[in-house]
Amino acid sequence: QKEVEQNSGPLSVPEGAIASLNCTYSDRGSQSFFWYRQYSGKSPELIMFIYSNGDKEDGRFTAQLNKASQYVSLLIRDSQPSDSATYLCAVNGGGSYIPTFGRGTSLIVHP
Amino acid sequence: GAGVSQSPRYKVAKRGQDVALRCDPISGHVSLFWYQQALGQGPEFLTYFQNEAQLDKSGLPSDRFFAERPEGSVSTLKIQRTQQEDSAVYLCASSLVRGQETQYFGPGTRLLVL
Repeated sequence: QKEVEQNSGPLSVPEGAIASLNCTYSDRGSQSFFWYRQYSGKSPELIMFIYSNGDKEDGRFTAQLNKASQYVSLLIRDSQPSDSATYLCAVNGGGSYIPTFGRGTSLIVHP
Repeated sequence: GAGVSQSPRYKVAKRGQDVALRCDPISGHVSLFWYQQALGQGPEFLTYFQNEAQLDKSGLPSDRFFAERPEGSVSTLKIQRTQQEDSAVYLCASSLVRGQETQYFGPGTRLLVL
């Protein structure tokens, strides 16, 4: 059973701070890692994907992957109230294009 | 261009009724996925199509669930004899080519079984 674990939160940060969202996964053969943002009552939208160990930056977002520790994180710099949403981590096992999703972490950015 | 669309957006069914949920993927997208999302949970995989071929249906929770994509574009998820535990949001997602993993989600169908 492939598992993807996320703290459900809520994670509360002040506006302008760095929000750090974490995800661990059980399948050591996993190769593709995704972060989705889901606003309440809406569908998930892709924020970032990462395949290689290390950091990947896109604007205010940075994804970090450590395959040895089976850990992937998402950093949001200069957090804005509009970033308040649930962040879903998704992981594809080796050779599979079917992702396993975590339950999501709720982020609240307060003014 | 247009994104993934789903209909109906909301469906209320009496227990025992059959329902059909429709998904229109992005034009030209080869891969199509169905997910079930319960409140407070992440999406759970149901089934996957590549063009008209259903390559994986391992996530369908029972034989009351059936999905098809006969012409490789529009897909329908059918639930027979609905039960209260079927209440959830059903999400459809598509991706461009075989093996490409970036998925684009539709708005979902919220199903409530009374």
